[in-house]
Amino acid sequence: GDSVTQMEGPVTLSEEAFLTINCTYTATGYPSLFWYVQYPGEGLQLLLKATKADDKGSNKGFEATYRKETTSFHLEKGSVQVSDSAVYFCALSGANSKLTFGKGITLSVRP
Amino acid sequence: NAGVTQTPKFRILKIGQSMTLQCAQDMNHNYMYWYRQDPGMGLKLIYYSVGAGITDKGEVPNGYNVSRSTTEDFPLRLELAAPSQTSVYFCASSRTSTGDEKLFFGSGTQLSVL
Repeated sequence: GDSVTQMEGPVTLSEEAFLTINCTYTATGYPSLFWYVQYPGEGLQLLLKATKADDKGSNKGFEATYRKETTSFHLEKGSVQVSDSAVYFCALSGANSKLTFGKGITLSVRP
Repeated sequence: NAGVTQTPKFRILKIGQSMTLQCAQDMNHNYMYWYRQDPGMGLKLIYYSVGAGITDKGEVPNGYNVSRSTTEDFPLRLELAAPSQTSVYFCASSRTSTGDEKLFFGSGTQLSVL
């Protein structure tokens, strides 16, 4: 079945540091890929998405590129802010159109 | 815009008690979902609905029931609460179920069964 694997956390960075959060997936066919973010005390919200190979999703300074050859969708940001502290979930929507989520990773950014 | 509204935000149950988690959306979405989020784990789909009167099981349906009498509401029922149901529950909705459609989430219900 479909699965999403995220790097182990938590991650703690200083403000303005570079961020990479790894995500790899297993799926049949051509899934759509997503990053969702969960701020403290809130529900998840869509951060960015990509629907086909080599697409780059971007939002709020975050980027992720759909790499079919490596089955990856790594999240990057050049300069993180304290307000980026949250839990980040990688997810895919496969042949059944249902979302499969990774375990999530907690990011803490210190001033 | 209210979006997806869940109540209550917190609840403590004793083993064997029952309760209903409420979920309502005001976006006229056909598709609605219930997920549970356990510590250090991703979200698991409990039940979903593709429209009023139509529901189906997700990945972890045991111990739960749902109904969908209106487009707006999608309550989740726990009949005999067990400690294994301690979790954070999220309701979500979407316009369609196409692969690239985003989900709108409620802010969650934190449930403890003691």
